[in-house]
Parts: sequence; structure tokens; C-alpha cells
Amino acid sequence: SQTIHQWPATLVQPVGSPLSLECTVEGTSNPNLYWYRQAAGRGLQLLFYSVGIGQISSEVPQNLSASRPQDRQFILSSKKLLLSDSGFYLCAWSVRGLGQPQHFGDGTRLSIL
Amino acid sequence: GDSVTQMEGPVTLSEEAFLTINCTYTATGYPSLFWYVQYPGEGLQLLLKATKADDKGSNKGFEATYRKETTSFHLEKGSVQVSDSAVYFCALRNNTNAGKSPFGDGTTLTVKP
Repeated sequence: SQTIHQWPATLVQPVGSPLSLECTVEGTSNPNLYWYRQAAGRGLQLLFYSVGIGQISSEVPQNLSASRPQDRQFILSSKKLLLSDSGFYLCAWSVRGLGQPQHFGDGTRLSIL
Repeated sequence: GDSVTQMEGPVTLSEEAFLTINCTYTATGYPSLFWYVQYPGEGLQLLLKATKADDKGSNKGFEATYRKETTSFHLEKGSVQVSDSAVYFCALRNNTNAGKSPFGDGTTLTVKP
């Protein structure tokens, strides 16, 4: 069966520090991969998505970046965090196909001090 | 572009009450429609889906019918429980949006004993 791992679960970082959040998927090949941010009490904001290795589409201009160095690995990064980067970050994957849902990780709670 | 609109929350109900959460969509073609549920501190889980007009998705007592004539996919449950307290998201997937899946803003449901 397919599983998705996202870590760390919680992270507290000072303003201006770098960030690296990692997401890996097991049990499937060539998935679509997604990074979302969810502010407190708000909906999902799609940050990045990838349809293949090295293929990243950015949805929102910001100081975050994403990379997909391997087929089932998706990394969210920042060189210098801002206070506004605080939130709940969710990684998700899906297979290709119209009726296919997304499958989410457990999320990373990021607090910027 | 494609979009999803959910009824604004929060929704507060007593146990065993009837639940309806409205969802309407805008999309070209024939998208698939989904409801996801998010429990506190967790990622989203697929609750149910429908892939074509007049399909009814159902799971755990929840139901939603794909109504193309009204572009709607309203979530219903006949008798809610305290354990149903969560945030509910409506989403669609279309073969024209490169694997992206627009989500509604989420509706927070609180069920009181």
C-alpha cells in the first residue's frame, strides 16, 4: 500500500533562519506531488506542485522554493524565513487520472519567532 | 479557471441533527468531485468522491450527489455524532488543470452532545 511521510511534525524557527521540510512517498511511482500551506482557521493554499523529477510549478510568489530530487521525494525550502511563513504545511500526492484523489501527510506545524 | 465555493462556517449542531454543507463548483468539462475531512492537528483524508453526473458518493454515513445541472456537490449526513466534529473541504479535479485540485475554503463543523 502507499504511504506518505512528512517531517518534522512541529518546528520552531527564528526569523531569518533557513527551512527544509521533507516529504517522501512509498508504494507508487511517478506521482504528482504537492505542497500546501494552511493558515490558522483558513483553507488550503497551493504553494507548489510537481508532475515529475525536476519539474516544479509555483503557484504563489514568495520566499519559499521546492525541489524534487527523486521521483518520490519533495522538499520545501527557504533561505530566510519570515514571520508570515508560520502555518501548517501539508504535503500530498496523487496518481494521474481524472477521478484520483490526493493523499495527504500529517503536516508540519511551523512557528516563526 | 476552475474553482470551488463552500458555505461559510462555522456550523454548530447538536448530536443526531441533520447536516448539510453546501458546495458549488465552476469548471469546464466534466470534473471529478471530492469531499475531504480534516481532524484537529492532522492532514486531510478523503471522505467520499463522485466521478460523473448523478453519481452519489457515500462513506461513514455521509453522502453527496454530483449535480451537473446545478454544479453542486452538497455533503449530507442524517444524524451527526460528536466524533464528526472536523473541518470539511470540497474539491474538484479536472483533466484540464494539470493535476491541480482546487479546494473550497473549508467548513468547520462542531457537534455538541
